[in-house]
Amino acid sequence: EVQLVESGGALVQPGGSLRLSCVASGFSFSTNFMSWVRQTPGGGLECVAKINPDGSGKYYVDSTRGRFTISRDNAKSSLYLQMTDLRADDTGVYYCATEIWWRLDSWGQGALVTVSS
Amino acid sequence: QSALTQPPSASGSPGQSVTISCAGTSSDIGAYDYVSWYQQHPGKAPKVIIYEVNKRPSGVPDRFSASKSGNTASLSVSGLQVEDEADYYCSSHEGGSTLIFGGGTKLTVL
Repeated sequence: EVQLVESGGALVQPGGSLRLSCVASGFSFSTNFMSWVRQTPGGGLECVAKINPDGSGKYYVDSTRGRFTISRDNAKSSLYLQMTDLRADDTGVYYCATEIWWRLDSWGQGALVTVSS
Repeated sequence: QSALTQPPSASGSPGQSVTISCAGTSSDIGAYDYVSWYQQHPGKAPKVIIYEVNKRPSGVPDRFSASKSGNTASLSVSGLQVEDEADYYCSSHEGGSTLIFGGGTKLTVL
């Protein structure tokens, strides 16, 4: 059974930093593209970052480029999202997900990030 | 503002059919057969129910079907059941490296 478990969500002040983690099991992590998907309080979904299987290719949506860094450790079956210079509009639930041919196949349960003073 | 346009709400009675649209452009839905649909129940993560325009993952009932015409994709649910009440999101490849989503449609089963 595919399992993705996120952790690291928290309340953080504007301008602060946070690191999310996602531990994967039940599938071949090292051969999959992985994505972080954000869901805003209003319900909208946005793919904020994506990484290729060996970590050599990283892609970001314009709103997070330069502030967020996606990485992975295939030996630990883990995905990370380092977020800096956080803003109020970064608030939301962050899901890690496997991406196969432009579909998000498996999702974690999500980690809540709240950016507020 | 979402990149794909969905109606905010849809509704139907048990047993009826409902269709949800997802409007894009010639650069996304119109250009690629990589349209997916996701179902999300309250407090849960989204779940893919349709991929590559009209394919259903294993375990998704055949009451769910989908299609694409030009720049617009559609999800149809026939024989509505109470458990179909959820939020539905469409997504598409848009030529870049990430996906774009619709704003979501809340389906109410009356």
